[in-house]
Amino acid sequence: KNEVEQSPQNLTAQEGEFITINCSYSVGISALHWLQQHPGGGIVSLFMLSSGKKKHGRLIATINIQEKHSSLHITASHPRDSAVYICAVPPNTGNQFYFGTGTSLTVIP
Amino acid sequence: EAGVTQSPTHLIKTRGQQATLRCSPISGHTSVYWYQQALGLGLQFLLWYDEGEERNRGNFPPRFSGRQFPNYSSELNVNALELEDSALYLCASSWGTFSGNTIYFGEGSWLTVV
Repeated sequence: KNEVEQSPQNLTAQEGEFITINCSYSVGISALHWLQQHPGGGIVSLFMLSSGKKKHGRLIATINIQEKHSSLHITASHPRDSAVYICAVPPNTGNQFYFGTGTSLTVIP
Repeated sequence: EAGVTQSPTHLIKTRGQQATLRCSPISGHTSVYWYQQALGLGLQFLLWYDEGEERNRGNFPPRFSGRQFPNYSSELNVNALELEDSALYLCASSWGTFSGNTIYFGEGSWLTVV
């Protein structure tokens, strides 16, 4: 059983579409991270959130700690958003991350 | 401010050899984490170093080892390389633990074992 489940695994969208990626986790956490991995392999931390909602440009992340669920939304998607989006949770016990398997997003012009 | 830097970018080794990968964290970060991402698989936790000591390791055999230097840079060593060790190795650093802090990743080192 995976501690972190992401959906969908793959997503293809037309430019301009609104995109939602979901993450559910089973461990107790105090914060959740959304990461973006580009085809070259480099990873960028997009958000760290422990409650409510955060917005950065066209990206919005929400979390419901009680339901152990988070969503990453991309508004007005663009081909440069094409990447793998990874949900990561550091459990309250121990000090390592549990990672989702990632959502591979392709935005077509 | 420089980000997390890793070297080499690419490394090709033959089976049975040893590989050494290096990571320099962001200035002031004392914790360094190593992850393996094999092709088609998710990120797997390898090792965590903090203040020069190994604090935790993932489910990897002992031939995966490393160390952290006084300047907080870190080295990952993989001995007796096997074909399945071919992967992207990512280093990350943060202020203290990950639980409440933003994490910063390096660009990674691609290791190919032939």
